[in-house]
Amino acid sequence: AQSVSQHNHHVILSEAASLELGCNYSYGGTVNLFWYVQYPGQHLQLLLKYFSGDPLVKGIKGFEAEFIKSKFSFNLRKPSVQWSDTAEYFCAVGGSGNTGKLIFGQGTTLQVKP
Amino acid sequence: GAGVSQSPSNKVTEKGKDVELRCDPISGHTALYWYRQSLGQGLEFLIYFQGNSAPDKSGLPSDRFSAERTGGSVSTLTIQRTQQEDSAVYLCASSFDRGPQETQYFGPGTRLLVL
Repeated sequence: AQSVSQHNHHVILSEAASLELGCNYSYGGTVNLFWYVQYPGQHLQLLLKYFSGDPLVKGIKGFEAEFIKSKFSFNLRKPSVQWSDTAEYFCAVGGSGNTGKLIFGQGTTLQVKP
Repeated sequence: GAGVSQSPSNKVTEKGKDVELRCDPISGHTALYWYRQSLGQGLEFLIYFQGNSAPDKSGLPSDRFSAERTGGSVSTLTIQRTQQEDSAVYLCASSFDRGPQETQYFGPGTRLLVL
């Protein structure tokens, strides 16, 4: 069965620090990988996604993620965080087939101190 | 047009009562998903609709949970004989088409509290 693991549950950074949030998945077939973000008081929204091709994916607001197949990882990065990046971040995997069902990780709460 | 909407935004009910949660997807989106976000459990998939049919109900936790979708649009998630462990935020998402590469757009959720 598919599963997603996010290692960091709560991360606290100062503004301008670099960010890396870990995500590992368990799935033997073709995977489609996503990072979603939920800002305080807002809906979940897509940050970026990977299906195929260049394993380095760029998303909104300066975020990027790298798919490393050999490590079953899809870590999220940002070189310099801002206070407005304070949010909860979810990694998700969707398998092949006709359904877009997503399996989510537990989420990582990021707190950026001004 | 508007995004995914859900109602009510909050619902408090007594154990044993039935509740109905509603989801209005983005107009034209054929796929609709229900997820549940519980404390300590993260986001769990419940059910997926393509049009009015539900090819994947694998996430429904028990037979107290059911869902329907009518007119290829609005969906209702019903929980019968609610239990305290049903307390969670219930999220609905829709996507233009089915398939694992489609972006899902989420609603604001319904926060359910079972006393």
